[in-house]
Amino acid sequence: AQKITQTQPGMFVQEKEAVTLDCTYDTSDPSYGLFWYKQPSSGEMIFLIYQGSYDQQNATEGRYSLNFQKARKSANLVISASQLGDSAMYFCAMRDTGFQKLVFGTGTRLLVSP
Amino acid sequence: DGGITQSPKYLFRKEGQNVTLSCEQNLNHDAMYWYRQDPGQGLRLIYYSQIVNDFQKGDIAEGYSVSREKKESFPLTVTSAQKNPTAFYLCASSMTGDQPQHFGDGTRLSIL
Repeated sequence: AQKITQTQPGMFVQEKEAVTLDCTYDTSDPSYGLFWYKQPSSGEMIFLIYQGSYDQQNATEGRYSLNFQKARKSANLVISASQLGDSAMYFCAMRDTGFQKLVFGTGTRLLVSP
Repeated sequence: DGGITQSPKYLFRKEGQNVTLSCEQNLNHDAMYWYRQDPGQGLRLIYYSQIVNDFQKGDIAEGYSVSREKKESFPLTVTSAQKNPTAFYLCASSMTGDQPQHFGDGTRLSIL
């Protein structure tokens, strides 16, 4: 079975600094997709970034980048130049084999301080 | 604006009562999903549907039912058989393939 592990329950960062949120995954399928979502206190899930298992380059979307290390089965999210509005829960997820069903990790709460 | 609309935002259920959560999307997505989120936890899949008139159980389907009579709509019924229904429920949709899922704003269900 596929599994996502996020070992950091909470992270603190100062405004304008970079922060890395860890995600490791477990799958025996050679083809998979990895996603990061942001969940503010209001509850909605906001898609941030996607990495396919066959993508040659690490994904980037504005201030978000994904540090994809396939051999280590890790897909860490890097947020550069943190902003106060980045304070939220962050979830790593993997697309299930054969369909788009997502398997989620337990999340990391990020707090950005002034 | 295209998006996913969930209603109501807050819902209260009495013991022994069935309640239905609404999910509507105007993104023309084929696939739709229902997730449950408990405090401090990630999302767990309840049901999903790839096309109209077809749906499959997810990881925690017991005590829930769904229908998919229209492409735009995927309502979730929380039945009296679900003994611990208090949670945050999120609906999502996606195109087929590797496209990301887009989520609604969620419904918070509580027991009276």
